[in-house]
Amino acid sequence: DIQMTQSPSSVSASVGDRVTITCRASQGISNSLAWYQRKPGKAPKLLIYAASTLQSGVPSRFIGSGSGTDFTLTISSLQPGDFATYYCQQANSFPPTFGQGTRVEVK
Amino acid sequence: EVQLVESGGGLVQVGGSLRLSCVASGFTFSSSAMSWVRQAPGKGLEWVSSISGSGGATFYADSLKGRFTISRDNSKNTLYLQMNTLRVEDTALYYCARTSGDLVRGLIKFDFWGQGALVTVSS
Repeated sequence: DIQMTQSPSSVSASVGDRVTITCRASQGISNSLAWYQRKPGKAPKLLIYAASTLQSGVPSRFIGSGSGTDFTLTISSLQPGDFATYYCQQANSFPPTFGQGTRVEVK
Repeated sequence: EVQLVESGGGLVQVGGSLRLSCVASGFTFSSSAMSWVRQAPGKGLEWVSSISGSGGATFYADSLKGRFTISRDNSKNTLYLQMNTLRVEDTALYYCARTSGDLVRGLIKFDFWGQGALVTVSS
């Protein structure tokens, strides 16, 4: 199975900050990577797929980049509704695997 | 609006069984692959199983094979997960998710999720 490693595990930030989350795959996955946002009590939400394609309705402050083994999710200007946990997921082969999550919390 | 509503979770003893359901609306259910993804307390997300739109193809996490069975009833817009011989480590929030991409090649993403059904397995 492909292992996905996210860093950091948590980050403290303020509204307006730029936040960057990293995801590393244990082997090359081309651009087959998705990012999700999960808030307590809410359904997880797909933000980005194919490493950099924004899902419909997702604000443009969410930016995905990378290919091969190294990927990043950047929130260009953190908004109050963005405090949540973010997960990457490789979509290159079965089984689909997720990173352990990065919690974005209020500084 | 896409909606996925899970039900059937609860408390069960080790070795017991439980069947989860997920009722879908807002899209053509029979044309969509579907999956179950779970999250154990304090852990990350773990893919459990996927099924094609017709129900003819199913996929499982290796660790679950033989204990869990995914199925669907397209006439009822409902996805199921039959869980047998439950273990303490199966305790988790189970999410139903609409799945897009190439299911056979594993090039999949989960584009809509339900809020989850909590399964607690007690010893």
